[in-house]
Amino acid sequence: EAGVTQFPSHSVIEKGQTVTLRCDPISGHDNLYWYRRVMGKEIKFLLHFVKESKQDESGMPNNRFLAERTGGTYSTLKVQPAELEDSGVYFCASSQSDTQYFGPGTRLTVL
Amino acid sequence: AQRVTQPEKLLSVFKGAPVELKCNYSYSGSPELFWYVQYSRQRLQLLLRHISRESIKGFTADLNKGETSFHLKKPFAQEEDSAMYYCALSDGGYQKVTFGTGTKLQVIP
Repeated sequence: EAGVTQFPSHSVIEKGQTVTLRCDPISGHDNLYWYRRVMGKEIKFLLHFVKESKQDESGMPNNRFLAERTGGTYSTLKVQPAELEDSGVYFCASSQSDTQYFGPGTRLTVL
Repeated sequence: AQRVTQPEKLLSVFKGAPVELKCNYSYSGSPELFWYVQYSRQRLQLLLRHISRESIKGFTADLNKGETSFHLKKPFAQEEDSAMYYCALSDGGYQKVTFGTGTKLQVIP
């Protein structure tokens, strides 16, 4: 069974540009989560989808971040416009029970 | 607010020596506690959870509510245990996970 996949694995952009990260959860998993680890800090929760609905978006840092999960399958996280402090590793996780399975992460570097 | 503290950024032990990775938490209710591990070039994966009370790869962790701790232990470290270890908690069910900053375990041959 394929695990959670994320694309791209790395992204380098300039400040002010837009980047879209994609997450494909494990097939059949209704719950999808986004997390972020900024350099030197802990992994922090961003938001949680149940199917296509946002269950909890309390961790979204500001309105430059937009997450979608149209159709309740894959999800995208768009950062527009990107700032230097957005650099870090963005993780996606999915679950059908109470165990979350993580993707490999997308390393975002904003120059 | 819920918080997880891992006081050690790096822990180096010799092969065969006992390992204890410390974790303390603050939470107002009854959280679920977890240990996640990330081996080199691999994704983050669940190692164990307190409600299972199981031993995975020789590791155990006991929840001490009085001390609000969930330390990870292994009696004899192996080289393949070298990895990044994260203590974490959640409200239970499908809720978000709150992570500690992680401890890098380095097992010296």
